[in-house]
Amino acid sequence: DQQVKQNSPSLSVQEGRISILNCDYTNSMFDYFLWYKKYPAEGPTFLISISSIKDKNEDGRFTVFLNKSAKHLSLHIVPSQPGDSAVYFCAALGNQFYFGTGTSLTVIP
Amino acid sequence: DAGVIQSPRHEVTEMGQEVTLRCKPISGHDYLFWYRQTMMRGLELLIYFNNNVPIDDSGMPEDRFSAKMPNASFSTLKIQPSEPRDSAVYFCASSLGQEKLFFGSGTQLSVL
Repeated sequence: DQQVKQNSPSLSVQEGRISILNCDYTNSMFDYFLWYKKYPAEGPTFLISISSIKDKNEDGRFTVFLNKSAKHLSLHIVPSQPGDSAVYFCAALGNQFYFGTGTSLTVIP
Repeated sequence: DAGVIQSPRHEVTEMGQEVTLRCKPISGHDYLFWYRQTMMRGLELLIYFNNNVPIDDSGMPEDRFSAKMPNASFSTLKIQPSEPRDSAVYFCASSLGQEKLFFGSGTQLSVL
C-alpha cells in the first residue's frame, strides 16, 4: 500500500504563475520529508526538504509546507519557469525512504 | 565527484535471459539503494545496503531478483530469468547516513 501519495499525475501552469504540488502520507511517524525533481532520462535530484519540527522551509523560488495534522505537504514554486517542467516526487523518511508516484509539471511559456 | 554511476543506460533482452545491472556509489557514502520506477507504483524500493550489508530486501519482488555489494564501490542487481513485467527503469542511489539520496541516471530495461 502506498504510504506516500501524489494524487495529481500532472499539472500545467503558465510561466510566472505559482505551481502547487501536493503530497499526502499515511504514517504519522514520518519525521523528514523531501522533494525530488526528475528530468527525462535522468535520475531524480534533491530539491528541498523539511523536518517534522517545522511547518515551512524556503529555498529561493521553492517553498515546502508541512501540515502534520492533515498529513499533507505541498511544494510551491513561485514564479514558475519553463525549466521547472519535470516530474516531482515527494518522499518521506521512516525506516526507509517512501516515494510517491510523481506529478508531471509543465510550465507553459 | 562523478556522482552515482550506473551501467548500462539501456538494456534490451529477451524473456528468460539473465540481466545484470551495475552501480558505483559516491565515494564515502555508506548506504546504497536499488529502486524501480513504474507508472503505477512510482519509485519502489527493492533493497538497500548499509556498509555493504543488505539491510532490507523486502521489496525484492521475487526470488528471480538478487543483489550484491561485494565492496563499498560496487553493487549489482541481477534478474534471472527476466520476464516482460520486469521492464522498468531501475535506479541506484547512495547516501551518507540517510539524509539525502543521490541517484544515478538509471537503467532502462526492456524485456521482450
